[in-house]
Amino acid sequence: EAGVAQSPRYKIIEKRQSVAFWCNPISGHATLYWYQQILGQGPKLLIQFQNNGVVDDSQLPKDRFSAERLKGVDSTLKIQPAKLEDSAVYLCASSLAGGGPGDSEQYFGPGTRLTVT
Amino acid sequence: QKEVEQNSGPLSVPEGAIASLNCTYSDRGSQSFFWYRQYSGKSPELIMSIYSNGDKEDGRFTAQLNKASQYVSLLIRDSQPSDSATYLCAVNGFNKFYFGSGTKLNVKP
Repeated sequence: EAGVAQSPRYKIIEKRQSVAFWCNPISGHATLYWYQQILGQGPKLLIQFQNNGVVDDSQLPKDRFSAERLKGVDSTLKIQPAKLEDSAVYLCASSLAGGGPGDSEQYFGPGTRLTVT
Repeated sequence: QKEVEQNSGPLSVPEGAIASLNCTYSDRGSQSFFWYRQYSGKSPELIMSIYSNGDKEDGRFTAQLNKASQYVSLLIRDSQPSDSATYLCAVNGFNKFYFGSGTKLNVKP
């Protein structure tokens, strides 16, 4: 079974530029998560989708970050304009959507390392 | 107060010893609890999940949950140098996920 795919793996941009990240979840996983992980910290949830609807985006800086999951499968996360403090690894994860035990187990993609200069 | 608290470490144990990693959480409504292992420069990898009070064993790993004390722990028996990594505790309550900042484990040969 293929895992969560992300691209690009690395990105270097200047502040005030824009950037987009792509994620394709594990087949059959209805729930998709985007996390930001700053060096030395745990992942911070930015946004959670179930199918193509947003479940939680309370920690997404909506003035500069946006995300979509138009057909309920793959997703893009965009930053515009980027700031120096956005330098981090952006992780995508997916899980099943059912209410049973195990359905919320998240599996992570390899991440995108963003450097803003 | 952080939703999930972990001692950042590093926790150093000799090869073959038991490593004990701890985590506390603030939301009493939390229902699912996870331990992830993260090697340097890699993404988190799920190693254990636990949903009810008590112990759950999987190979050399044992997760322990005490909802009354809002406490989750991970025991690693017969620790190996390959277990050296950061261990992240994650908690899910009513569809809100929170990760701790992780405990760095060093297993010395």
